[in-house]
Amino acid sequence: AIQLTQSPSSLSASVGDRVTITCRASQGMTNALVWYQQKSGKAPKLLIYDASSLESGVPSRFSGSGSGTDFTLTISSLQPEDFATYYCQQYNSYPPHFGQGTRLEIK
Amino acid sequence: EVQLVESGGGLVQPGGSLRLSCAASGFTVSSNFMSWVRQAPGKGLEWVSVIYSAGSTYYADSVKGRFIISRDSSKNTLSLQMNSLRAEDTAVYYCARGPMIRGHDYWGQGALVTVSS
Repeated sequence: AIQLTQSPSSLSASVGDRVTITCRASQGMTNALVWYQQKSGKAPKLLIYDASSLESGVPSRFSGSGSGTDFTLTISSLQPEDFATYYCQQYNSYPPHFGQGTRLEIK
Repeated sequence: EVQLVESGGGLVQPGGSLRLSCAASGFTVSSNFMSWVRQAPGKGLEWVSVIYSAGSTYYADSVKGRFIISRDSSKNTLSLQMNSLRAEDTAVYYCARGPMIRGHDYWGQGALVTVSS
């Protein structure tokens, strides 16, 4: 099974900052990796699929990159509504594990 | 418009059973991969089970042998039969389409399952 490790686990940042979250896979994989945003009490929302494809309706300040074992989610200029928890997930193989999450907080 | 609506959550004693349902609209359940994902209070997301469009099913090790995923094509619904429930099964359970090329692209609002005496 492919395990995913996200870093950092939590992050404090200010509006306007550029933020990068990393997701590292326990073994090499295809680009079958997605990123979700989850706000408190709500279902996750798909942001990025296929490692770097932006989901329809998601602001262009979100971007994904990476390959092999190392993937990143970047928010180019944080907005107040971006403070949330972010998860990566791989669907290269079963079980489709999630990363443990990165909590993004306001500094 | 795509919509997923879960029902059937509640309080159950350890060792008991509960059945969750997920009503889908805007697409056909049986033509898609469909999953259950859960989130224990204050914890991260945990994938639980999937049913493929062809009917094959997979389970997380933590629920294998206790949970059964199924679908009803006539009602366009997804279900999760949960047996031999444990305290550690306490979570919000989400039904979600996928994972396919866009991962889980649609999610329900979640159903809270509490296992406690």
